[in-house]
Amino acid sequence: GNSVTQMEGPVTLSEEAFLTINCTYTATGYPSLFWYVQYPGEGLQLLLKATKADDKGSNKGFEATYRKETTSFHLEKGSVQVSDSAVYFCALRNNFNKFYFGSGTKLNVKP
Amino acid sequence: EAQVTQNPRYLITVTGKKLTVTCSQNMNHEYMSWYRQDPGLGLRQIYYSMNVEVTDKGDVPEGYKVSRKEKRNFPLILESPSPNQTSLYFCASSLSLGGKTEAFFGQGTRLTVV
Repeated sequence: GNSVTQMEGPVTLSEEAFLTINCTYTATGYPSLFWYVQYPGEGLQLLLKATKADDKGSNKGFEATYRKETTSFHLEKGSVQVSDSAVYFCALRNNFNKFYFGSGTKLNVKP
Repeated sequence: EAQVTQNPRYLITVTGKKLTVTCSQNMNHEYMSWYRQDPGLGLRQIYYSMNVEVTDKGDVPEGYKVSRKEKRNFPLILESPSPNQTSLYFCASSLSLGGKTEAFFGQGTRLTVV
Protein backbone atom coordinates (compact mmCIF):
# COMPACT_ATOMS: atom_id res chain seq x y z
CA GLY A 1 0.00 0.00 0.00
CA ASN A 2 0.87 3.67 0.13
CA SER A 3 1.71 5.64 3.25
CA VAL A 4 3.83 8.48 4.57
CA THR A 5 5.52 8.60 7.96
CA GLN A 6 7.06 11.76 9.33
CA MET A 7 8.68 12.60 12.62
CA GLU A 8 6.41 13.64 15.42
CA GLY A 9 6.59 17.13 16.75
CA PRO A 10 6.68 19.61 18.01
CA VAL A 11 10.20 20.50 16.99
CA THR A 12 11.55 23.54 18.82
CA LEU A 13 14.64 25.32 17.52
CA SER A 14 16.41 28.60 18.08
CA GLU A 15 16.66 31.06 15.23
CA GLU A 16 19.48 30.25 12.78
CA ALA A 17 19.58 26.59 13.82
CA PHE A 18 19.70 23.78 11.26
CA LEU A 19 16.41 22.02 10.57
CA THR A 20 15.74 18.43 9.55
CA ILE A 21 12.26 16.92 9.45
CA ASN A 22 12.34 13.25 8.53
CA CYS A 23 9.89 11.73 6.08
CA THR A 24 9.77 8.17 4.80
CA TYR A 25 7.24 6.63 2.49
CA THR A 26 5.85 3.35 1.25
CA ALA A 27 4.52 3.30 -2.28
CA THR A 28 3.80 1.14 -5.24
CA GLY A 29 5.06 2.39 -8.56
CA TYR A 30 6.84 5.73 -8.91
CA PRO A 31 5.20 8.40 -6.78
CA SER A 32 5.85 12.11 -6.72
CA LEU A 33 6.78 13.58 -3.34
CA PHE A 34 5.80 16.90 -1.81
CA TRP A 35 6.32 19.07 1.23
CA TYR A 36 3.48 21.39 2.22
CA VAL A 37 3.50 24.11 4.86
CA GLN A 38 0.53 25.30 6.90
CA TYR A 39 0.79 28.63 8.70
CA PRO A 40 -1.62 29.28 11.58
CA GLY A 41 -5.19 29.77 10.40
CA GLU A 42 -4.37 29.05 6.78
CA GLY A 43 -4.63 26.26 4.24
CA LEU A 44 -1.75 24.13 3.02
CA GLN A 45 0.70 25.67 0.58
CA LEU A 46 3.14 23.77 -1.59
CA LEU A 47 6.68 24.27 -0.33
CA LEU A 48 8.59 22.03 -2.73
CA LYS A 49 8.26 18.85 -4.75
CA ALA A 50 10.22 16.14 -6.56
CA THR A 51 8.77 13.91 -9.23
CA LYS A 52 11.47 11.27 -9.70
CA ALA A 53 14.33 9.59 -7.88
CA ASP A 54 17.36 11.77 -7.10
CA ASP A 55 15.44 14.98 -7.86
CA LYS A 56 16.02 17.77 -5.36
CA GLY A 57 13.20 20.15 -4.62
CA SER A 58 14.04 23.55 -3.17
CA ASN A 59 12.25 26.74 -2.21
CA LYS A 60 12.76 29.57 0.30
CA GLY A 61 15.95 27.96 1.60
CA PHE A 62 14.29 24.58 2.19
CA GLU A 63 15.51 21.48 0.36
CA ALA A 64 14.54 17.82 0.08
CA THR A 65 15.98 15.04 -2.07
CA TYR A 66 13.94 12.11 -3.39
CA ARG A 67 15.88 9.02 -2.21
CA LYS A 68 14.41 5.89 -3.71
CA GLU A 69 16.96 3.58 -2.10
CA THR A 70 15.98 4.71 1.41
CA THR A 71 12.38 5.67 0.49
CA SER A 72 12.91 9.05 2.13
CA PHE A 73 12.28 12.73 1.44
CA HIS A 74 13.72 14.59 4.43
CA LEU A 75 13.18 18.34 4.66
CA GLU A 76 16.19 20.51 5.53
CA LYS A 77 16.98 24.16 6.01
CA GLY A 78 20.35 25.55 6.98
CA SER A 79 19.17 28.47 9.11
CA VAL A 80 15.58 28.73 10.32
CA GLN A 81 13.78 31.97 11.07
CA VAL A 82 10.92 32.74 13.44
CA SER A 83 8.72 33.16 10.37
CA ASP A 84 9.27 29.47 9.50
CA SER A 85 7.16 28.46 12.50
CA ALA A 86 4.36 26.36 11.01
CA VAL A 87 3.16 22.81 10.51
CA TYR A 88 4.93 20.86 7.76
CA PHE A 89 3.33 17.97 5.90
CA CYS A 90 5.09 15.40 3.77
CA ALA A 91 2.96 13.85 1.02
CA LEU A 92 3.12 11.49 -1.90
CA ARG A 93 0.97 11.22 -5.00
CA ASN A 94 0.81 7.88 -6.74
CA ASN A 95 0.35 7.08 -10.40
CA PHE A 96 -3.40 6.83 -9.84
CA ASN A 97 -3.43 10.48 -8.76
CA LYS A 98 -4.29 9.85 -5.12
CA PHE A 99 -2.51 11.83 -2.42
CA TYR A 100 -1.28 10.45 0.89
CA PHE A 101 -0.27 12.82 3.68
CA GLY A 102 1.85 12.38 6.77
CA SER A 103 0.48 13.46 10.13
CA GLY A 104 2.33 16.78 10.12
CA THR A 105 5.23 18.15 12.16
CA LYS A 106 4.85 21.37 14.06
CA LEU A 107 7.94 23.59 14.04
CA ASN A 108 8.43 26.30 16.65
CA VAL A 109 11.34 28.69 16.11
CA LYS A 110 12.32 30.86 19.06
CA PRO A 111 14.08 34.23 18.67
CA GLU B 1 -5.65 34.67 -9.52
CA ALA B 2 -5.57 30.86 -9.37
CA GLN B 3 -7.38 29.72 -6.27
CA VAL B 4 -9.60 27.26 -4.49
CA THR B 5 -12.44 28.97 -2.62
CA GLN B 6 -14.33 27.36 0.24
CA ASN B 7 -17.37 28.74 1.99
CA PRO B 8 -18.09 29.29 4.75
CA ARG B 9 -14.80 29.69 6.65
CA TYR B 10 -16.47 29.09 9.98
CA LEU B 11 -19.70 27.31 10.79
CA ILE B 12 -21.42 26.33 14.02
CA THR B 13 -24.45 24.10 13.63
CA VAL B 14 -26.64 21.73 15.62
CA THR B 15 -26.78 17.97 15.41
CA GLY B 16 -28.94 16.73 12.56
CA LYS B 17 -29.26 19.97 10.61
CA LYS B 18 -28.20 19.39 7.01
CA LEU B 19 -25.40 21.60 5.74
CA THR B 20 -23.32 22.10 2.62
CA VAL B 21 -19.78 23.40 2.37
CA THR B 22 -19.03 24.75 -1.07
CA CYS B 23 -15.75 24.46 -2.95
CA SER B 24 -14.90 26.11 -6.25
CA GLN B 25 -11.68 26.24 -8.28
CA ASN B 26 -10.80 28.42 -11.26
CA MET B 27 -7.89 26.41 -12.66
CA ASN B 28 -9.83 23.90 -14.80
CA HIS B 29 -8.51 21.05 -12.66
CA GLU B 30 -9.92 17.59 -13.19
CA TYR B 31 -9.13 16.23 -9.74
CA MET B 32 -10.81 17.55 -6.60
CA SER B 33 -10.94 16.18 -3.09
CA TRP B 34 -12.06 16.84 0.46
CA TYR B 35 -10.01 16.28 3.61
CA ARG B 36 -10.58 16.66 7.29
CA GLN B 37 -7.80 17.66 9.64
CA ASP B 38 -7.90 16.59 13.27
CA PRO B 39 -5.19 16.99 15.94
CA GLY B 40 -2.68 14.15 15.81
CA LEU B 41 -4.31 12.55 12.77
CA GLY B 42 -3.05 14.76 9.98
CA LEU B 43 -5.15 15.00 6.82
CA ARG B 44 -7.61 12.27 6.03
CA GLN B 45 -9.33 12.08 2.68
CA ILE B 46 -13.13 12.03 2.73
CA TYR B 47 -14.07 11.86 -0.95
CA TYR B 48 -12.40 12.60 -4.24
CA SER B 49 -13.43 13.18 -7.84
CA MET B 50 -11.41 12.42 -10.96
CA ASN B 51 -13.72 14.47 -13.19
CA VAL B 52 -17.31 15.56 -13.71
CA GLU B 53 -19.78 12.91 -12.50
CA VAL B 54 -16.90 10.70 -11.25
CA THR B 55 -16.59 10.51 -7.46
CA ASP B 56 -15.22 7.92 -5.07
CA LYS B 57 -14.82 7.32 -1.37
CA GLY B 58 -11.64 8.24 0.42
CA ASP B 59 -10.53 6.94 3.80
CA VAL B 60 -13.28 8.41 6.00
CA PRO B 61 -16.46 8.83 3.88
CA GLU B 62 -19.09 7.88 6.48
CA GLY B 63 -21.59 10.65 7.13
CA TYR B 64 -20.62 12.69 4.05
CA LYS B 65 -21.84 13.07 0.49
CA VAL B 66 -20.40 14.87 -2.52
CA SER B 67 -21.41 15.70 -6.05
CA ARG B 68 -19.51 16.86 -9.15
CA LYS B 69 -21.98 18.27 -11.64
CA GLU B 70 -19.60 20.90 -12.95
CA LYS B 71 -15.84 20.80 -13.28
CA ARG B 72 -15.23 23.81 -11.06
CA ASN B 73 -17.47 22.89 -8.10
CA PHE B 74 -17.26 20.08 -5.58
CA PRO B 75 -19.60 20.63 -2.61
CA LEU B 76 -19.41 18.57 0.59
CA ILE B 77 -22.77 17.65 2.09
CA LEU B 78 -23.43 16.58 5.66
CA GLU B 79 -26.98 15.23 5.64
CA SER B 80 -27.21 14.78 9.41
CA PRO B 81 -24.16 16.24 11.14
CA SER B 82 -22.98 14.78 14.41
CA PRO B 83 -20.49 16.13 16.98
CA ASN B 84 -17.77 13.73 15.78
CA GLN B 85 -17.77 15.65 12.49
CA THR B 86 -16.47 18.72 14.28
CA SER B 87 -13.23 19.33 12.43
CA LEU B 88 -11.26 21.54 10.05
CA TYR B 89 -12.13 20.74 6.44
CA PHE B 90 -10.06 21.41 3.33
CA CYS B 91 -10.94 21.21 -0.31
CA ALA B 92 -8.13 20.68 -2.82
CA SER B 93 -7.80 20.51 -6.59
CA SER B 94 -5.11 19.46 -9.04
CA LEU B 95 -4.44 18.47 -12.59
CA SER B 96 -4.41 14.76 -13.33
CA LEU B 97 -1.06 14.28 -15.05
CA GLY B 98 -0.06 10.81 -13.96
CA GLY B 99 0.35 11.98 -10.41
CA LYS B 100 3.11 14.51 -11.12
CA THR B 101 1.38 17.72 -10.11
CA GLU B 102 0.69 19.31 -6.75
CA ALA B 103 -2.65 19.97 -5.09
CA PHE B 104 -3.93 23.47 -4.42
CA PHE B 105 -5.82 23.90 -1.15
CA GLY B 106 -8.61 26.13 -0.03
CA GLN B 107 -8.37 28.19 3.16
CA GLY B 108 -10.33 25.69 5.19
CA THR B 109 -13.72 25.51 6.87
CA ARG B 110 -13.83 25.12 10.63
CA LEU B 111 -17.03 23.25 11.48
CA THR B 112 -18.42 22.84 14.98
CA VAL B 113 -21.42 20.57 15.54
CA VAL B 114 -23.10 20.94 18.92
